[in-house]
Amino acid sequence: GAVVSQHPSRVICKSGTSVKIECRSLDFQATTMFWYRQFPKQSLMLMATSNEGSKATYEQGVEKDKFLINHASLTLSTLTVTSAHPEDSSFYICSALTGRGTDTQYFGPGTRLTVL
Amino acid sequence: GEDVEQSLFLSVREGDSSVINCTYTDSSSTYLYWYKQEPGAGLQLLTYIFSNMDMKQDQRLTVLLNKKDKHLSLRIADTQTGDSAIYFCAVLPGGGYQKVTFGTGTKLQVIP
Repeated sequence: GAVVSQHPSRVICKSGTSVKIECRSLDFQATTMFWYRQFPKQSLMLMATSNEGSKATYEQGVEKDKFLINHASLTLSTLTVTSAHPEDSSFYICSALTGRGTDTQYFGPGTRLTVL
Repeated sequence: GEDVEQSLFLSVREGDSSVINCTYTDSSSTYLYWYKQEPGAGLQLLTYIFSNMDMKQDQRLTVLLNKKDKHLSLRIADTQTGDSAIYFCAVLPGGGYQKVTFGTGTKLQVIP
């Protein structure tokens, strides 16, 4: 159990376009999901905490108007990178809490975004 | 906030034991995790330990927690080439917060 999927796994887009990344919990309901960004050879940087049915909580320095997060159901959260620029190119990873008491985060496989 | 530190690189020979270390600063941390990340992939949860435990063993993995020194280690017995990856330690602070702090990651290289 505790499987998290992400779609797409890779995306290449032109500068100025928007890209949506989906994060799904496949075999459990996730009231809380997290979105991370990882630069090459670096650790994960938390971008925002997404709670089902409410607005996401963004970390300091993360532009909420640029990185739109929607957690419309207990199994789906989406991250939309709006007006993408080359500096937004990165590996984006989501995780989800199972709510089973250990506060353990289960991670998706990640999405590689390349903005040309 | 919490700081979590790891050494960046570890190289071991196949069949030897690997020990990956992690130090943290928040003494009220509750859960401590070890994740494995292979190239181009997400993070795979390997194991976790609750702060009232000193040790946890799961097949080839042994986690040791020294709360006094705020030191966590992951020992991999009989290390295999498939264990080559980046290992992240992550710490959940006390106070009911859900956000974990990740270490910098240790790249484990297994030499055949």
